Amino acid sequence: QSVLTQPPSVSAAPGQKVTISCSGSSSNIENNYVSWYQHLPGTAPKLLIYDIDKRPSGIPDRFSGSKSGTSATLGITGLQTGDEADYYCGTWDSSLSAVVFGGGTKLTVL
Amino acid sequence: QLQLQEAGPGLVKPSETLSLTCTVSGVSISSTNSYWGWIRQPPGKGLEWIGNMYYSGTTYYNPSLKNRVTISVDTSKNQFSLRLSSVTAADTAVYYCTRPWGSYSPSFDSWGQGTLVTVSS
Repeated sequence: QSVLTQPPSVSAAPGQKVTISCSGSSSNIENNYVSWYQHLPGTAPKLLIYDIDKRPSGIPDRFSGSKSGTSATLGITGLQTGDEADYYCGTWDSSLSAVVFGGGTKLTVL
Repeated sequence: QLQLQEAGPGLVKPSETLSLTCTVSGVSISSTNSYWGWIRQPPGKGLEWIGNMYYSGTTYYNPSLKNRVTISVDTSKNQFSLRLSSVTAADTAVYYCTRPWGSYSPSFDSWGQGTLVTVSS
């Protein structure tokens, strides 16, 4: 059981927008930075968002991040079939003294 | 361009020690303020942080694994290593070496391709 809770799956049509939630607590998301990763099977995870809402160089602005209280959200607009992947949130948990991740959300682009 | 590559046995017996190395290319492993780390993913499950290491050798481990894990660096080979002792089937996972942005940072901007380690007799 992961410390951070994500929906197991989300789906949307090409060109549409989707959001993926990441729920935590005051010991993790509420008081720490959040990162998001895209993971295609058989490849290395890719950092999409860091420090809640910042994108590394090369990540298109179709990807966005936000946080409110104990929850964080990843948004993807203009969905493409190439966006089909597993997405993970991560943050520091001050009670556990560990970096923690969500269980992952599988995105299907119908 | 930074590249990371894991290497090590794909099969380890229960109660033995899992040992993996990560070869870093494109940057010196002892670059000032650089961190290196390990993350794993059991089959069908999410990511689990194992620990990070500062270039000077200071380590930061997941408390859930702290008694069994050691991360170390070999600057002469530009490599860092993971040792996990007393393994059980629960340690079966794909192991990734990574570059974190800090000792407690959830941001890892470079990853190896990952290596599957199975714990079985």
